[in-house]
Amino acid sequence: EIVLTQSPGTLSLSPGERATLSCRASQSVSSSYLAWYQQKPGQAPRLLISGASSRATGIPDRFSGSGSGTDFTLTISRLEPEDFAVYYCQQYGSSSRTFGQGTKVEIK
Amino acid sequence: EVQLAESGGALVQPGGSLRLSCAASGFTFRNHWMSWVRQAPGKGLEWVADIKEDGSEKNYVDSVKGRFTISRDNAKNSLYLQMNSLRAEDTAVYYCAIGWGSHGYWGQGTLVTVSS
Repeated sequence: EIVLTQSPGTLSLSPGERATLSCRASQSVSSSYLAWYQQKPGQAPRLLISGASSRATGIPDRFSGSGSGTDFTLTISRLEPEDFAVYYCQQYGSSSRTFGQGTKVEIK
Repeated sequence: EVQLAESGGALVQPGGSLRLSCAASGFTFRNHWMSWVRQAPGKGLEWVADIKEDGSEKNYVDSVKGRFTISRDNAKNSLYLQMNSLRAEDTAVYYCAIGWGSHGYWGQGTLVTVSS
C-alpha cells in the first residue's frame, strides 16, 4: 500500500496569501495518478486536480498542481475566503487506492 | 445532470450486516468504474472499494477484505456495498463516487453507525 503523507497538518494564512500544500508518497505514484480534493464541513469532497496537474472542470486557475514520482504539491496562488477548507491528496495508480490524512487551511 | 444517491445507512450492532445502495443517473453507468469511499466522524477520507465497468475486477482496502463485497447492477444503474461482520471502526459516512480515482462526482453520503 502506498502511504501518502500530507504536510503541514494545518496552514494558517490570510486571504490573498499563497498556500503551498505538500503530499509525499511512500513509493512512486504510477503515471502521476495523483488527485487533489477540497472538502468543506458537511459536504462531499470536490475534485480540484487530477493527473497531478490537470485542473478539473470549473476549478479556478488560482489552483495548480505539480510534482511527480513521490513528491506532489498543490498551490493556491491567492487565497479567497471560500478556499478555507480541508484538502486531501489521493493516489490511484495502484490497485489499493489511498488518501492522505488531509491539510486544513484556516484563516489566520 | 449527474446524480448519485446513497441509501441504506443505519444504526447496527457489532457483528451485524448492512447493504448500502447507490442509485446513479445522468450518465452512462455501465461505462464507468465506481467506488465507495468512507469518512469516520471528524476524520479523513478512506477509500473502501471499487469495481470495474462490467464487474469483472474488484479492489478492497485491506481492513474490509473478506467482510465487505462491492457489486453493481448495470441494468438498474445501481452500485452496492454488502457489509458483514461490522465493527465499531466501520462507523462512517459512506460515499459512492464515479471512477477508480480522481472522482469528479460524489453522492451526498449515507451514515453507518456500528454500536451496541
